[in-house]
Amino acid sequence: SAVISQKPSRDICQRGTSLTIQCQVDSQVTMMFWYRQQPGQSLTLIATANQGSEATYESGFVIDKFPISRPNLTFSTLTVSNMSPEDSSIYLCSVTGQAQETQYFGPGTRLLVL
Amino acid sequence: EDKVVQSPLSLVVHEGDTVTLNCSYEVTNFRSLLWYKQEKKAPTFLFMLTSSGIEKKSGRLSSILDKKELFSILNITATQTGDSAIYLCAVMKGSARQLTFGSGTQLTVLP
Repeated sequence: SAVISQKPSRDICQRGTSLTIQCQVDSQVTMMFWYRQQPGQSLTLIATANQGSEATYESGFVIDKFPISRPNLTFSTLTVSNMSPEDSSIYLCSVTGQAQETQYFGPGTRLLVL
Repeated sequence: EDKVVQSPLSLVVHEGDTVTLNCSYEVTNFRSLLWYKQEKKAPTFLFMLTSSGIEKKSGRLSSILDKKELFSILNITATQTGDSAIYLCAVMKGSARQLTFGSGTQLTVLP
């Protein structure tokens, strides 16, 4: 499976500010995704990061709040904009495996908004 | 609306016990069912199941899928304290490869 890294690992931010999370993969992958895990909850898909075009967002998530970039097949960023305490979560990127029937997750970014 | 339901929500056992975790699903355009173990932040991949009745095994862990009854089970035999974690079931659907997760089962293994 691909080796996935995320930066930062964790951060504490003030409300109203924005944070950009980076996801780097050690090999080219077709599909990349961003998930959110709020405290005590399971994972929820935010969007599919499409290489060279706009991300595909799930219901309840909008581009203005969670802009995503994917400039190539190994890298993506997720920005959490105008943060509020409700944005405190773990943010995870994932990629599909070679057979595209599996997904592997990065180490996650733990965000606390004060 | 797609649903993935896991049971039990939490489970406390003693080392050496055998546990069975359940996952039922209702999704359109099913592709595969995946099990993950989550200890801190990142879910760690355990199994991917696409065909009914074929057991996947890895050490003390095994899993099987029933596509007719729309459920899967994850078995852990001879549990150890290191098995304590949240076990997540997710279903992948369609060409978009999106995952829908269940709420997870919190397993605690006491020494």
